[in-house]
Amino acid sequence: DIQMTQSPASLSASLGETVSIECLPSEGISNDLAWYQQESGKSPQLLIYGATRLQDGVPSRFSGSGSGTRYSLKISGIQPEDEADYFCQQSHKNPWTFGGGTKLELK
Amino acid sequence: QVQLKESGPGLVQPSETLSLTCTVSGFSLTSYSIHWVRQHSGKRLEWMGRMWSDGATSYNSAFTSRLSISRDTSTSQVFLKMNSLQTEDTGTYYCARSYIRGLNYVMDAWGQGTSVTVSS
Repeated sequence: DIQMTQSPASLSASLGETVSIECLPSEGISNDLAWYQQESGKSPQLLIYGATRLQDGVPSRFSGSGSGTRYSLKISGIQPEDEADYFCQQSHKNPWTFGGGTKLELK
Repeated sequence: QVQLKESGPGLVQPSETLSLTCTVSGFSLTSYSIHWVRQHSGKRLEWMGRMWSDGATSYNSAFTSRLSISRDTSTSQVFLKMNSLQTEDTGTYYCARSYIRGLNYVMDAWGQGTSVTVSS
């Protein structure tokens, strides 16, 4: 199985700050990578697919980058509603696998 | 409006079988895949398997021997059955749909999840 190593496990940021979350697959996944946001008590919501493509309706402050075995999610200008858990997920090989998650808290 | 909704028993005895239903609306099961994903209390997400739009299935080998996914297109429902449940199967179970956009799989809609506790 492809292991998805996500970091950091948690981070604290101020309103308006820019943060990045990293995801390292154990092997190359050819940009078959998605990012999800999960607010407390809710189901995951797709933010980014294909490593860099913004899902319809997602604010442009979210962006994805990377290739091969290194991917990142950037949130530029954090808003209060961004406080949530974030997960990466690969769809390159079965079984699809997820990163361990990053908890974003606002200071 | 695209909707997915999971339903199930909530509490299952150890060693018994879990049966969950995912009822969808706003789209056709013959055009989208439906996945089952579970989330443990520590928030770790685990992909369990999928029902493809053509009726084929794929499973995570971690569950292959005890997991079965089926569907009824006439009622827009996808079913999960997993036997020999243990306490570590406790968690929230989600169904989600996916399709291919360009070259990428997109898992763009999830149900609200159904909580399952395995306990005597």
